[in-house]
Amino acid sequence: DIQMTQSPSLLSASVGDRVTINCKASQNINKYLNWYQQKLGEAPKLLIYNTNNLQTGIPSRFSGSGSGTDYTLTISSLQPEDFGTYFCFQHNSWPLTFGSGTKLEIK
Amino acid sequence: EVQLVESGGGLVQPGRSLKLSCAASGFTFSDYNMAWVRQAPKKGLEWVATISYDGSSTYYRDSVKGRFTISRDNAKSTLYLQMDSLRSEDTATYYCARAIAAIYFDYWGQGVMVTVSS
Repeated sequence: DIQMTQSPSLLSASVGDRVTINCKASQNINKYLNWYQQKLGEAPKLLIYNTNNLQTGIPSRFSGSGSGTDYTLTISSLQPEDFGTYFCFQHNSWPLTFGSGTKLEIK
Repeated sequence: EVQLVESGGGLVQPGRSLKLSCAASGFTFSDYNMAWVRQAPKKGLEWVATISYDGSSTYYRDSVKGRFTISRDNAKSTLYLQMDSLRSEDTATYYCARAIAAIYFDYWGQGVMVTVSS
């Protein structure tokens, strides 16, 4: 199984900050990497698919990059509604696997 | 508007069975692969199973193979998860999800809680 390691696990930032969340795969996942946001008690929401493609309706302050085993989610200017937990997800091979999550708190 | 509504969760004893349903609307159900993803309390997300658009192919994580069965009824736009021989480690919120590009998830239901406990 491909292990997905996210860092940091907890992030506290202020409105307007530039925020980055990292995800490292245990092997090459060929850019088949998505990012999801989940708020407490809600279903996950797709933000980015295939490394750097913004899902319809997602604000342009979200972006993704990476290749091989290393991937990054960037929020260019943090907004109050961006709190929640962020998960990376690989769909390069079965079993599909998620990262353990990064909890983003707004200072 | 895409909607996925899960039902069938609850409290069940270890070793017993439970069947989850997911009613889909707002899209052509038979055009999409579908999946179940679960989340144990205060834990991360875990893919459980995927079924192809026509039901001809299924995929499972190892820990549920032989115990869980994913199926679908395209005439009723409904996805199912039959869970047998349940274990305490199956306790989780189970989400139904639509698979886009055949494999990853764009829309999710609100989830249904399954608690396995004596």
